[in-house]
Parts: sequence; C-alpha cells; structure tokens
Amino acid sequence: AQKVTQAQTEISVVEKEDVTLDCVYETRDTTYYLFWYKQPPSGELVFLIRRNSFDEQNEISGRYSWNFQKSTSSFNFTITASQVVDSAVYFCALSGINAGNMLTFGGGTRLMVKP
Amino acid sequence: DAGITQSPRHKVTETGTPVTLRCHQTENHRYMYWYRQDPGHGLRLIHYSYGVKDTDKGEVSDGYSVSRSKTEDFLLTLESATSSQTSVYFCAISGTGESQPQHFGDGTRLSIL
Repeated sequence: AQKVTQAQTEISVVEKEDVTLDCVYETRDTTYYLFWYKQPPSGELVFLIRRNSFDEQNEISGRYSWNFQKSTSSFNFTITASQVVDSAVYFCALSGINAGNMLTFGGGTRLMVKP
Repeated sequence: DAGITQSPRHKVTETGTPVTLRCHQTENHRYMYWYRQDPGHGLRLIHYSYGVKDTDKGEVSDGYSVSRSKTEDFLLTLESATSSQTSVYFCAISGTGESQPQHFGDGTRLSIL
C-alpha cells in the first residue's frame, strides 16, 4: 500500500521568508513518481511538478525548488522569498507503476503568507 | 488549461435523492477520475475510467457509481445521497503514458441536507 504524509497541516510566514513544505512517502514500488499540486483559495488544483524515482537531482523553477531524497523517502518543496500569492494548500502525491496513473495524495499543507 | 468542465459547480439536495455529476473533457485523454476532497483527507479516489465502458473502483467507492459511454464524458452518480457525501468533488484526466500528471476540473461543491 502507498502512503503520503504531509505532517505540517498549516504554516504561516511573513512575506519574503523562505518556507519548506515537507512530504514523506511510503511505497514498495522500485519505480514511482512524485508530484506536487497547488490549490489556491479559488479552489482549482494546479499541477506543479513530477519527478521519477530514478532522478534525485534537485529542481529549481524560479522561486520554487524541490529536494528529492530517496534515502529518507522525502520530496520537500521550498518557496524562496514567499509572496502573498503563494498562499494556498499544497498537496504532495505519489504514483506507482500501475495502469491508470492513479495518485495517492497527502492530506495537504495550508500555507498562509502574510504581508 | 486542460479542457475539463464539471457540472454543476454547486448543488444542494436532500438526503435520499439521486445526484449525478458530469465531467466533460475536450483533450481526448484515455484516463478519467473522480475524487472527493474533505478537510484533513486530501483527495481520495472514488472511481476511475481507463476507456469507454471501462471503469474501476477507487479507495472510497461505496455509495457511488460511474459511467463512461463516450471518451469525453464521465458521470458520477450518488444513487441515494447521504449527508456523509457532502463534499467537494473533482474530476481529473490523464493522458496515456507512464505516470502522466493528472489535470483537474474546477470542482463541484455538493451539499446534502
């Protein structure tokens, strides 16, 4: 069985602070994929990134960066110099090698960035 | 944005009534999914489809049925709605290929009184 844990249910920061959202996963698959989604207050779910289990290189996209560590089964997401527009619920998700590209989601972390 | 339309966007109904939610896609994607989102639970898969007339159960399928008679439409039916099915429902689609990301519709807020 697969499981994704986002232990931080809510985080509050002041604008321009850096913030890291934690994601820990469990799977028996040797090949798997990890995802992050953003859900802003308007409610839609926005795909941010997909990484496969064989690629442990960190990825940076503007103010966003992702740190994948297989040794600790973690796929953490850092926002540098946070902005009010970053306020959202962020979900980490996991997909094994299965027919149907099914995802197992974590419970989400609500990030509040205050001006 | 992925061409996914959910209807209705909001619905209030009474316990015991049947409810059908519709998901329509214009991307011709093979896979379609229905999730429910509840506080503290993230998104949980209800049912999914891997082709016309091909569907399977997800984690929380009890009380729900689905149908897919055309590639573009995936219907979720609550045969006899209960208050525990009050939730936000999301449809998602995914292309063929290993672990392609899912793209989501805007959600349907369903309240059962």
